[in-house]
Amino acid sequence: EPEVTQTPSHQVTQMGQEVILRCVPISNHLYFYWYRQILGQKVEFLVSFYNNEISEKSEIFDDQFSVERPDGSNFTLKIRSTKLEDSAMYFCASSSQGGETQYFGPGTRLLVL
Amino acid sequence: SQKIEQNSEALNIQEGKTATLTCNYTNYSPAYLQWYRQDPGRGPVFLLLIRENEKEKRKERLKVTFDTTLKQSLFHITASQPADSATYLCALEGGSQGNLIFGKGTKLSVKP
Repeated sequence: EPEVTQTPSHQVTQMGQEVILRCVPISNHLYFYWYRQILGQKVEFLVSFYNNEISEKSEIFDDQFSVERPDGSNFTLKIRSTKLEDSAMYFCASSSQGGETQYFGPGTRLLVL
Repeated sequence: SQKIEQNSEALNIQEGKTATLTCNYTNYSPAYLQWYRQDPGRGPVFLLLIRENEKEKRKERLKVTFDTTLKQSLFHITASQPADSATYLCALEGGSQGNLIFGKGTKLSVKP
């Protein structure tokens, strides 16, 4: 069964460093999402991506964040200058249609020191 | 803005009993509502989607109801098993592109 994959599974970085989180969505899906979950808190929407552009973003998704689909299979989230409060689990998700079932990846646990 | 409340942070039940989890929302009625399961350190896994014009949906031992008047969804697991122990998340549409607003979840523990 097709699944969403994410790399790395864990990332430790120093405050102020740039990180890139990678995702491979399910191949025939058209809608892509990033969510994050701070430890012990709820899953929060960051950004949605459709037709090679950002379709919606939350207040969390400020100028430090960017997304890209560089090659038709990968979907990346870049945090330009990490802050301590960026420490969280980051989930990528994809769906075949907006507003339908989303398939989540296993997540990348980011720790900013 | 839309707020979601999952009334119980934790629910403990005996194996074989029916677990009932509640999800309430405060603002506009969404076109659909979804339930996900999340195990520790893992991503959410889709379980069921119910649309605003549907009262009830079933899948094996799972049942979801959706009452737009009460602004509430109930999620039932019948004949619960220890393997059903997990956190269950309620999610509503958050925008036109399908992004989801999640509740904080209810942690279900099924004791043998």
